[in-house]
Amino acid sequence: GAVVSQHPSWVICKSGTSVKIECRSLDFQATTMFWYRQFPKQSLMLMATSNEGSKATYEQGVEKDKFLINHASLTLSTLTVTSAHPEDSSFYICSARDLGYTYEQYFGPGTRLTVT
Amino acid sequence: AQSVAQPEDQVNVAEGNPLTVKCTYSVSGNPYLFWYVQYPNRGLQFLLKYITGDNLVKGSYGFEAEFNKSQTSFHLKKPSALVSDSALYFCAVDTGGFKTIFGAGTRLFVKA
Repeated sequence: GAVVSQHPSWVICKSGTSVKIECRSLDFQATTMFWYRQFPKQSLMLMATSNEGSKATYEQGVEKDKFLINHASLTLSTLTVTSAHPEDSSFYICSARDLGYTYEQYFGPGTRLTVT
Repeated sequence: AQSVAQPEDQVNVAEGNPLTVKCTYSVSGNPYLFWYVQYPNRGLQFLLKYITGDNLVKGSYGFEAEFNKSQTSFHLKKPSALVSDSALYFCAVDTGGFKTIFGAGTRLFVKA
């Protein structure tokens, strides 16, 4: 149980275009989802916390107009990287906590974004 | 401020030997502590957690961790390492306020 999927697993886009990444909890309902960014050989950097039906809470230094997060249902959150630039190239990982809030997070497999 | 320290960037161990991956934390309030493992180009997988109760917690794949309040540590251990245990391990802490702080990660290499 507790499976989180992410789509796509990898994407290449041109500079200036937008990319949407989907995160789904497959077998549980997630009131809270998190979006992380991971640089090579580095830890996870929390970008934002997403609660179903409300606006996401962004971490300091993360541009909310650039990284649009929508948590439309208890099983789906999306991250849209708008007007992508090469410096946005990274590994993006989502995670979710279930409705019962058993404290641990369940992570998606990640999305490798390359902006050319 | 809350923080998690993993003092070793890398741990090398021979297959069959015991392994320890260290973690110390600094939080106000009671900590919720976690270990996650990440395989190459994959998301993180939950290994184990300490919320309350017995200081020794057992998790997936034969791993265990001991919560030591006086030393503010939560070291990950396994009695006998496998080559397949080679991965990146993250310690994390949460004070129940939704936000989880991750350590920098420790890369474990198990040599056959």
